[in-house]
Amino acid sequence: SAVISQKPSRDICQRGTSLTIQCQVDSQVTMMFWYRQQPGQSLTLIATANQGSEATYESGFVIDKFPISRPNLTFSTLTVSNMSPEDSSIYLCSARTGGYGYTFGSGTRLTVV
Amino acid sequence: KNQVEQSPQSLIILEGKNCTLQCNYTVSPFSNLRWYKQDTGRGPVSLTIMTFSENTKSNGRYTATLDADTKQSSLHITASQLSDSASYICVVSYFNQAGTALIFGKGTTLSVSS
Repeated sequence: SAVISQKPSRDICQRGTSLTIQCQVDSQVTMMFWYRQQPGQSLTLIATANQGSEATYESGFVIDKFPISRPNLTFSTLTVSNMSPEDSSIYLCSARTGGYGYTFGSGTRLTVV
Repeated sequence: KNQVEQSPQSLIILEGKNCTLQCNYTVSPFSNLRWYKQDTGRGPVSLTIMTFSENTKSNGRYTATLDADTKQSSLHITASQLSDSASYICVVSYFNQAGTALIFGKGTTLSVSS
């Protein structure tokens, strides 16, 4: 199955700044996804990133706050903009890797102070 | 509303013992059900995937069952090991306009002690 490298693994950021998270897949994938996992909560889909088109955002998430890039079939970035302490969370990328398979990155633990 | 409920929320067992985790869902139209293991600080890793017609699937010491009529699934862990300590997440996939989408449970946190 595919392997996804996600970085950074963790970061502590000042409020008002932005952080860009990167995910690299070791094979070409059509669909990539970005999730947020808050403490004690289930994973929540932020957006679906398809190569060559605008990302599709879920209710409650907007492009200005979470801009996404998908320049090719193996790479995607998520930026958390103008951060506040409420953005402290684990952010995960995922890719649909054929059949019913979904592979996840190792996550980015973000703390905003 | 599409929902996935897991129980118990947390569980502590002794090494070598068996345990069963539960997942109830109200998701339709149903595509498949997955169990993932998520170690602390890591991303979820797939354990099993079951479609509508599958009742049971095993992966080593992990055995998942699915009752599509009652919309219940369980994950049974046999002869637990310390490395089984993790969060176990039940994920149900359903069909939508984009193809399929995933609904995640909150997970069961399992602690295996020696």
